[in-house]
Amino acid sequence: DARVTQTPRHKVTEMGQEVTMRCQPILGHNTVFWYRQTMMQGLELLAYFRNRAPLDDSGMPKDRFSAEMPDATLATLKIQPSEPRDSAVYFCAGNAGGPLDEQYFGPGTRLTVT
Amino acid sequence: SQQGEEDPQALSIQEGENATMNCSYKTSINNLQWYRQNSGRGLVHLILIRSNEREKHSGRLRVTLDTSKKSSSLLITASRAADTASYFCATARDTGRRALTFGSGTRLQVQP
Repeated sequence: DARVTQTPRHKVTEMGQEVTMRCQPILGHNTVFWYRQTMMQGLELLAYFRNRAPLDDSGMPKDRFSAEMPDATLATLKIQPSEPRDSAVYFCAGNAGGPLDEQYFGPGTRLTVT
Repeated sequence: SQQGEEDPQALSIQEGENATMNCSYKTSINNLQWYRQNSGRGLVHLILIRSNEREKHSGRLRVTLDTSKKSSSLLITASRAADTASYFCATARDTGRRALTFGSGTRLQVQP
């Protein structure tokens, strides 16, 4: 049963701390997306990669956020330093096609920054 | 701003009834997709309809697309308590940023 996995599932941290979220996409899914979901803004695309190369990070605050794909089985999203307004659920998704095709989502990381 | 807006924001029905959710969007699209999200979970893809299609079925789901009105509807027939979830439409534009834009969702409650 192929699934997208995300770790950690929950993270509580203090303002100013570094946060790293990890995602393992489904094997063969070479397009990987990072989304953020909040009550106020809904689901927003932060960035996506294709074949590990960043193609679009226009939705990501560049000063504190960074996204990488060290290898085909791992995508990371880092926030440094974290702020209370970063509190949200962060989802990773992937597919074998491209950004306009159906996407397979992970369970999310719920981040709370106090 | 949101590309897709769902209507209604919330819907409560009895088990066995049909549920209809609508999505309106602003710009021309390549395709439109519907996703379901159970509480505390990730989104699950339900159905994709392309801009040259008018209707699509998948099990108890029926999706229509009217590109002249820039709107789509999702019909769930014979609803079950397990259908309780939030439903989102996502539009894939045919120009501009190559990405899905999600609406704000419809929260569906199916009473047993």
